[in-house]
Amino acid sequence: AQSVAQPEDQVNVAEGNPLTVKCTYSVSGNPYLFWYVQYPNRGLQFLLKYITGDNLVKGSYGFEAEFNKSQTSFHLKKPSALVSDSALYFCASLKGDSWGKLQFGAGTQVVVTP
Amino acid sequence: EAGVAQSPRYKIIEKRQSVAFWCNPISGHATLYWYQQILGQGPKLLIQFQNNGVVDDSQLPKDRFSAERLKGVDSTLKIQPAKLEDSAVYLCASSPTSGGYNEQFFGPGTRLTVL
Repeated sequence: AQSVAQPEDQVNVAEGNPLTVKCTYSVSGNPYLFWYVQYPNRGLQFLLKYITGDNLVKGSYGFEAEFNKSQTSFHLKKPSALVSDSALYFCASLKGDSWGKLQFGAGTQVVVTP
Repeated sequence: EAGVAQSPRYKIIEKRQSVAFWCNPISGHATLYWYQQILGQGPKLLIQFQNNGVVDDSQLPKDRFSAERLKGVDSTLKIQPAKLEDSAVYLCASSPTSGGYNEQFFGPGTRLTVL
């Protein structure tokens, strides 16, 4: 079965410090991985995706993610967190047996304190 | 460009009542998705349309949920009758082509509370 796991319910970080949100995957075949962010009372917004190619993927709002095949991970990172980055972050994988069907992790709440 | 529109934003009903949600995707987007997001969980796909045809409805509880996408544009999701466990945020999303690697654009969601 295709799935992603986000081991942390919440990540707390001080503004200006590096931010990492963890995601591990379990997929058969080639993994297609995504990160989305959800701000309060708003829909999910796409941040970035890994389909193939470079293991370091750059996305919106200064975020990037590193695909690591040996560790089956796709961690989201930002060098310097902002208070406005406080939101709910979801990792997702594309189900190979159903084109376009995303399977989301449970989400990680990020809290950035001033 | 205008984003995905959903209405209503909030709905409170009693169990066994009926409710309907409406979604207007981004103009020109062929694929439309309905997700259910229960508090503390990630979104779960209920149904996927390609134009006005159903691509995947394997996780739609068909005994009480129904959805349609007339003329391949707007879509409605209906629950009849509602149960307590249907309390969730219902998200609509669209993408330009037939899903796949494309990012999905989400609406703000409809928060349903079933009492």
